Amino acid sequence: SYELTQPPSVSVSAGQTASITCSGDRLGDKYVCWYQQKPGESPVVVIHQDTKRPSGIPERFSGSNSGNTATLTISGTQAMDEADYHCQVWDSSTVVFGGGTKLTVL
Amino acid sequence: QVQLQESGPGLVKPSQTLSLTCTVSGGSITTSNYYWSWIRQPAGKGLEWIGRIFSSGSTDYNPSLKSRVTLSVDTSKNQFSLKLSSVTATDTAVYFCARDTGTFDPWGQGTLVTVSS
Repeated sequence: SYELTQPPSVSVSAGQTASITCSGDRLGDKYVCWYQQKPGESPVVVIHQDTKRPSGIPERFSGSNSGNTATLTISGTQAMDEADYHCQVWDSSTVVFGGGTKLTVL
Repeated sequence: QVQLQESGPGLVKPSQTLSLTCTVSGGSITTSNYYWSWIRQPAGKGLEWIGRIFSSGSTDYNPSLKSRVTLSVDTSKNQFSLKLSSVTATDTAVYFCARDTGTFDPWGQGTLVTVSS
């Protein structure tokens, strides 16, 4: 079965750029979604189809996907961005999630 | 805008069947080409997709859960439902329903189901 790998945790200083990776075999051939989940809340999509940002999501969130790695980038990270981030793809009519990355804003 | 709300027992005994319902408001469950999915999250862990259903009743399931999962839809009530049989403690999780366009958006608030005797 297909697997996605994320680092368990990433730390970033406020105002700096955070990069969260998601790795999988030939991941660049698939569309990747990213979800933000704050404690006690439901996930919210911040990036879909690799690079598209839904309305209402700040411009500081961006995504890329090439080769075996997709990256969620948060520019000018704010304290409110501290959350868990999950990547997700479709593979053979099945949904696969990464294990999630806890982003800490210092 | 569309909102989803999960409902069902918060406590299920081992070996029994977990049953949850998701009520869709603010829009029809038969609108456009939307699927409707169930996703769960054990405490402190990642997300796991359970399966999805189209308004016509067509389904897709996570292969790891397929033998125990049944999804159904009631278009007259604008609801879709999950049944998970033969539950064990490892099925303890927050269960979410979500609209599925390939992207999950929006999500319900989630409901905690604990499997314990």
